[in-house]
Amino acid sequence: GAGVSQSPRYKVAKRGQDVALRCDPISGHVSLFWYQQALGQGPEFLTYFQNEAQLDKSGLPSDRFFAERPEGSVSTLKIQRTQQEDSAVYLCASSSMGLYTGELFFGEGSRLTVL
Amino acid sequence: AQKVTQAQTEISVVEKEDVTLDCVYETRDTTYYLFWYKQPPSGELVFLIRRNSFDEQNEISGRYSWNFQKSTSSFNFTITASQVVDSAVYFCALSVNYGGSQGNLIFGKGTKLSVKP
Repeated sequence: GAGVSQSPRYKVAKRGQDVALRCDPISGHVSLFWYQQALGQGPEFLTYFQNEAQLDKSGLPSDRFFAERPEGSVSTLKIQRTQQEDSAVYLCASSSMGLYTGELFFGEGSRLTVL
Repeated sequence: AQKVTQAQTEISVVEKEDVTLDCVYETRDTTYYLFWYKQPPSGELVFLIRRNSFDEQNEISGRYSWNFQKSTSSFNFTITASQVVDSAVYFCALSVNYGGSQGNLIFGKGTKLSVKP
C-alpha cells in the first residue's frame, strides 16, 4: 500500500479480554516500530523490529504485551488480559533505513478502549 | 536520562501570524538526533525535520524554520505566516544511540496549535 496501514482503527474491549492489533508497513521497509500514545501525551516507544528480528522490546510495559513480525512484513501487537490503563492509541511506524538516517512513516493508529 | 520538554501545551493564533513552538531537550550523550513531527486530527504523525547533534545550522523550508542551539539545549520551530492547515499537534523528539544499536524516539508531550481564520 501507499502508507502504513493499521487495523482495527477502533477497538473496545472488556477488562480481561485479549486483543490483537495489526500493522501493515510500507512495502520493503526493513524497520518497524510500535508506540503507545495516551490521551494528551506524546507517543512512547514499545518495541522495534528489523525484518523479523525483535531488536528492542524495552518499552513493553508488562509481560501481557507481546509483538511479532514472523515474516518481516506484517506485525501484530497482542495484549493479553487487558486492563483499563492499556487504553491508548497504538501507533505503528516503518522506515526503509536505520532510525538515524531515515524518517519514520506512521500509521493512523489503533485506538483501544478498555472498559 | 533523556527528556524532551515542550512547555507550551496549547497556542492559538490568527492566520498570517508567525508562531514559534519551543522544545528543550536533555541528554548526556554527545551524539543524538532531534526531530519534529506534526500530528493532524487524522492521527498519523508526519515527519517534518531531523537534525544531528553536530549540525547546528538553522534550516528553512518554505514557511517553516528551525533554530537549533546546543548552548541552551533547544530546538525551536517557527511557522511564518501561519495558515489554518497548520492546525495540529506538533511533537519534538530526541533519539540517542545506545552502543551502536537502534535507539528509540523520545517524544515531548506536544504543543497543540490552533490557527484561526
